[in-house]
Amino acid sequence: AQSVTQLGSHVSVSEGALVLLRCNYSSSVPPYLFWYVQYPNQGLQLLLKYTSAATLVKGINGFEAEFKKSETSFHLTKPSAHMSDAAEYFCAVSEREYGNKLVFGAGTILRVKS
Amino acid sequence: ETGVTQTPRHLVMGMTNKKSLKCEQHLGHNAMYWYKQSAKKPLELMFVYNFKEQTENNSVPSRFSPECPNSSHLFLHLHTLQPEDSALYLCASSYSGTSTYEQYFGPGTRLTVT
Repeated sequence: AQSVTQLGSHVSVSEGALVLLRCNYSSSVPPYLFWYVQYPNQGLQLLLKYTSAATLVKGINGFEAEFKKSETSFHLTKPSAHMSDAAEYFCAVSEREYGNKLVFGAGTILRVKS
Repeated sequence: ETGVTQTPRHLVMGMTNKKSLKCEQHLGHNAMYWYKQSAKKPLELMFVYNFKEQTENNSVPSRFSPECPNSSHLFLHLHTLQPEDSALYLCASSYSGTSTYEQYFGPGTRLTVT
């Protein structure tokens, strides 16, 4: 069965600092992986997705994530945090044979300090 | 309207009431989903519809009754709910096929059961 673990329910960074949000997955077959962001009182917005092309995936708002099969990880990074990045971030996995069924991690709330 | 819309955005209902949540997608997708998002819990997939047919029911109590009259509309009928059903209910849509496609989310309906 697929599962996702997001390390750290809360992450706090200073404005301009590196953002690193951790995601590890469990999957019996090559997965599809996604990062979503949720701002207060809104739905989830897709940041980026990995579908077995390049292992380094670039997304919107300056975010990127690297798929590392040996570590079963898909960590999200951004070189320089902005105040507007404060939100909750979700990692999700889907195994190819399950088609469009996603399993989400518990989420990480990112706080950006001025 | 663009994307995925949900109405109402907020709903307060007593345990004996009957109400319905509505979701509409304007993206030409053919799969639709209901998720429940409770505080401090991972996003829970409730139902999946592909081409108007229900393909997933994640052991959801019968007091939640989904309806998908066409690929663009999805409803969640609610009756005799419990206070623990208070949550954010998110609708999503995607393409459906042999590959895995990203899901697009609506803004959600904040449900409070009194």
